Amino acid sequence: EVQLLESGGGLVQPGGSLRLSCAASGFTFSSSAMSWVRQTPGRGLEWVASLTTTGTSTFYADSVKGRFTISRDNSKNALFLQMKSLRAEDTAAYFCAKVFQGGGGTFFDYWGQGALVTVSS
Amino acid sequence: EIVMTQSPATLSMSPGARATLSCRASQSVSSNLAWYQQKPGQPPRLLIYGASTRATGIPDRFSGSGSGTEFTLTINSLQSEDFTVYYCQQYKIWPLTFGGGTKVEIK
Repeated sequence: EVQLLESGGGLVQPGGSLRLSCAASGFTFSSSAMSWVRQTPGRGLEWVASLTTTGTSTFYADSVKGRFTISRDNSKNALFLQMKSLRAEDTAAYFCAKVFQGGGGTFFDYWGQGALVTVSS
Repeated sequence: EIVMTQSPATLSMSPGARATLSCRASQSVSSNLAWYQQKPGQPPRLLIYGASTRATGIPDRFSGSGSGTEFTLTINSLQSEDFTVYYCQQYKIWPLTFGGGTKVEIK
């Protein structure tokens, strides 16, 4: 059974930093591209970042480029999102998502339960 | 960026009826479109990809159609568990973008 478990969410002040982790199991992690997607009641679902199986290629939404870094450790079946210079508008539930293999594009067949990030003073 | 527009925002339907949800892209995404279902307190679940291919384990009452800029998710014979929110997502071009969602509610 595929499982994705996010951790590291919480309350942080504007301008602060936070690192999200996602522990993956139940599939060959090193063979799967991965992504982070966030969701707010007001803005709905918003793709944040993606990276390839080896982590050598990364992709970011303009809203987080230069502030967020996606990475992975295939030896530990773990995905990360380092977030810096956080803003109030980064407040959201952050989902770790597995990219469907062989689908010819980046969409998501498994999602974690989400980690809540609140940016507020 | 490709803007995805879903309509209607809310669809009031009776159990057993057929629901038709629309998703429009601001430019062509070919067939690079996915549909997700999301229930309260849960993450999205993949229903359809490639505009019309059902994901593993998805009942055949769910079907997708369309290409280019106009897409449709049809749910035949609505079951109680189908009354929730549905999103479309294009994966033709970065950045990946989602529609704003359609809520299917009980009439």
